[in-house]
Amino acid sequence: DAGVIQSPRHEVTEMGQEVTLRCKPISGHDYLFWYRQTMMRGLELLIYFNNNVPIDDSGMPEDRFSAKMPNASFSTLKIQPSEPRDSAVYFCASSLKGGTSGLSTDTQYFGPGTRLTVL
Amino acid sequence: AQTVTQSQPEMSVQEAETVTLSCTYDTSESNYYLFWYKQPPSRQMILVIRQEAYKQQNATENRFSVNFQKAAKSFSLKISDSQLGDTAMYFCAFMNHNTDKLIFGTGTRLQVFP
Repeated sequence: DAGVIQSPRHEVTEMGQEVTLRCKPISGHDYLFWYRQTMMRGLELLIYFNNNVPIDDSGMPEDRFSAKMPNASFSTLKIQPSEPRDSAVYFCASSLKGGTSGLSTDTQYFGPGTRLTVL
Repeated sequence: AQTVTQSQPEMSVQEAETVTLSCTYDTSESNYYLFWYKQPPSRQMILVIRQEAYKQQNATENRFSVNFQKAAKSFSLKISDSQLGDTAMYFCAFMNHNTDKLIFGTGTRLQVFP
């Protein structure tokens, strides 16, 4: 398996622009998580999905942030409009709860991250 | 609320030596998971080792082992025969069995010197 895939790896945009980050989880995983990492706040959970349904979005900072998971193999995190304080590394992770797998259940496997810079 | 504390912001070790990274956590739950993740300069978050709280035996993965002290709520990571490639940020993380949220510590930056 290729692991969790994120795109783009780097994004530089100007304040006010819309930004869309993409994630493809590990095939067969039923949980998907979006995290943000900054020096000031460390790793923060923004939102997570189970079977494509958002379960907890209490970490989403404000209405400018939205996330969708239209199917089991794709999720997006959108920021509109973007602001300089949104600059961070955004990670997507996936996990499997129960069932059988060659990987540990309940362990979250992370993608390579997207480094977002908002000017 | 559950919290994870890593009291060592930075550590250094010489190549081939052994180093131990500390982690403590606070929870009232009895069934949970603990993890160590490594984040090298490439920033990829890589799972190093995992421990289920109900298991008394300490987890081991090659050169990496943990000292899990449930009563003391301590979960330290020991790296034996340190290698230059072990240079990274190391995060301790906690997950309650009944939820799906990972709670991370603030990390320990490990530098391995030749």
